[in-house]
Amino acid sequence: AQTVTQSQPEMSVQEAETVTLSCTYDTSESDYYLFWYKQPPSRQMILVIRQEAYKQQNATENRFSVNFQKAAKSFSLKISDSQLGDAAMYFCAYRTSLNSGGSNYKLTFGKGTLLTVNP
Amino acid sequence: GAVVSQHPSWVICKSGTSVKIECRSLDFQATTMFWYRQFPKQSLMLMATSNEGSKATYEQGVEKDKFLINHASLTLSTLTVTSAHPEDSSFYICSAWDRVADTQYFGPGTRLTVL
Repeated sequence: AQTVTQSQPEMSVQEAETVTLSCTYDTSESDYYLFWYKQPPSRQMILVIRQEAYKQQNATENRFSVNFQKAAKSFSLKISDSQLGDAAMYFCAYRTSLNSGGSNYKLTFGKGTLLTVNP
Repeated sequence: GAVVSQHPSWVICKSGTSVKIECRSLDFQATTMFWYRQFPKQSLMLMATSNEGSKATYEQGVEKDKFLINHASLTLSTLTVTSAHPEDSSFYICSAWDRVADTQYFGPGTRLTVL
């Protein structure tokens, strides 16, 4: 079974600074997806970024980028120019790829990292 | 992104009663939906996978007779908490899988309080 580990229960960053959230995972599969979800105080889960394992290029979405190290099974999230609205719980998640032939589309979540942004 | 709604957003009920929570995909068809439970300051715990037209698949340790799931159409799944007790109080979140976008979209959640 796949596992996702987020070793930082809490992180803080100054507004406009950069912060990196860590995530490692364990799997025997070669094709899969990795995600970062944000859960602000409203508790609505929001997809921040996704990475397909077969793609070597790291995904980016505006101020959000990932450092995907497949061999090390590491998937960190970098938030640049942090804003007050970035304060939230961030969850790293894993999912099997459809190309693997599986029919299980469920996400495996890490325990989350609570990010505080200081003005 | 696509929109998933949940109703109600919060509910308070008496112990022993049943509560139904609806999850709807508003602008796409979802053959698969998921139900999660989340305790304060914790991660999402998958309860079950809801498949349109067939029985739900429950995760280990989740009582299927307690948490009834029905996925009668491609846009609606319901979770019924039967004979609710205070320990069932929690935040319940659904998600719907958009096959075309190959993305799981989440509803806003339902806060259940059982008195």
